[in-house]
Order: sequence, then C-alpha cells, then structure tokens
Amino acid sequence: AQSVSQHNHHVILSEAASLELGCNYSYGGTVNLFWYVQYPGQHLQLLLKYFSGDPLVKGIKGFEAEFIKSKFSFNLRKPSVQWSDTAEYFCAVIGGGATNKLIFGTGTLLAVQP
Amino acid sequence: GAVVSQHPSWVICKSGTSVKIECRSLDFQATTMFWYRQFPKQSLMLMATSNEGSKATYEQGVEKDKFLINHASLTLSTLTVTSAHPEDSSFYICSANRGTNSPLHFGNGTRLTVT
Repeated sequence: AQSVSQHNHHVILSEAASLELGCNYSYGGTVNLFWYVQYPGQHLQLLLKYFSGDPLVKGIKGFEAEFIKSKFSFNLRKPSVQWSDTAEYFCAVIGGGATNKLIFGTGTLLAVQP
Repeated sequence: GAVVSQHPSWVICKSGTSVKIECRSLDFQATTMFWYRQFPKQSLMLMATSNEGSKATYEQGVEKDKFLINHASLTLSTLTVTSAHPEDSSFYICSANRGTNSPLHFGNGTRLTVT
C-alpha cells in the first residue's frame, strides 16, 4: 500500500533560518506529489505540486521542493522563513492507477519565532 | 478560481443523533469528491471517495453504514454521520477537483463535536 512519511513532526525555527521538511513515499510507479499548508484556523491550501518535468518545483510564497526519484523523496525547502510561515505542512502523493486518491503524510508543525 | 464550499463549519450534536455535512463545488462540476477526517494532532485520513451517480468507495476501516455518502449531483456530495458517538468528534474535510491531474480544492472543514 502507498504511504507517505514525514520525518519531522514539530520544527521550531527563528526568522530568516532556512527550512527543509522531509517527505518520503513508498510507491514504485509514477507518482504525483504535493505539499499542502494549513495555517492556523484556515483550510488546506496547495503550496506546490509535481507531475512531471523539472524535478525542482517552485511554489507559492518562496517555497520549493525537489523530487528525487532514486530516494523516493520530495523535500520542501525555503531559504529564509518568516513568522507568517507558522503552519502545518502536509506532504501528499497520488500513485499511478489510483485516480486522485491522495494519501497524506502525518504533517509537520512549523513554528517560526520572531 | 474554483471553490469548494462545506457546510456547516461547526456542529454540536447529542450522542445517538445523525449529522449531515454538505460539500459543494461552486464553479465547476466534480464527478468525484473526497471525504477526509482529521483527528487532533494527526494527519488527514481519507475516508471515502464519493462518485456522482454511484456508490461511494470507502477506505479500509471506515464503516459505510455509519458514514453515509450521497453524491446526487455533479456539484454536491453529502456525508451523514449516523448515530454519532463522542469518538466521532473530529474535523471532517471534503475536496474536489475538475479532473485528473488538476489540483484538489478543499472545503474549510466541519468541526463535529458529539456530546
């Protein structure tokens, strides 16, 4: 069965620090990969997605993620975080053959200290 | 842009009663909608896939007789929690997209509290 694991459950950073959130998935075929963000009190929003092409994907608000097929990874990065980035981040995957069936990781709660 | 509307946003009910949650795609037709549940400090868990005009597909461990899903039109799916119990208290979120390989749009969620 497909699964998604996020290694960091809770991350605390100071403003301007660099961010990298790990995401690994288990599926050997073609995958579509996503990062979603949920700000406090708000609904889920799409940060970025990878379907094909350039494995380095740029998203909104300065986020990017790199798809490394050999490592089954899709880590999220941001060079310099802001206090407003405080939120919960979810990695998700759709494996080939499962139409739009999105499987989520357990989420990483990011707290950015001013 | 596409919007998914979910109603109600918050509901409190007594144990043993049933609660209906609506999920609407406001400016597009969605043949498929998805229902998720999020317990505190846990990830979203897919409960079921709602298919317009046919039976929903439930994930393993989700009781289909307890969580009734109806997708009667291309813009509306409903989730009914029947005979709710306190352990059903959770955050329920629906999502939909225009089609394969389109981003999913999420509703704002429904906070269900069963007393």
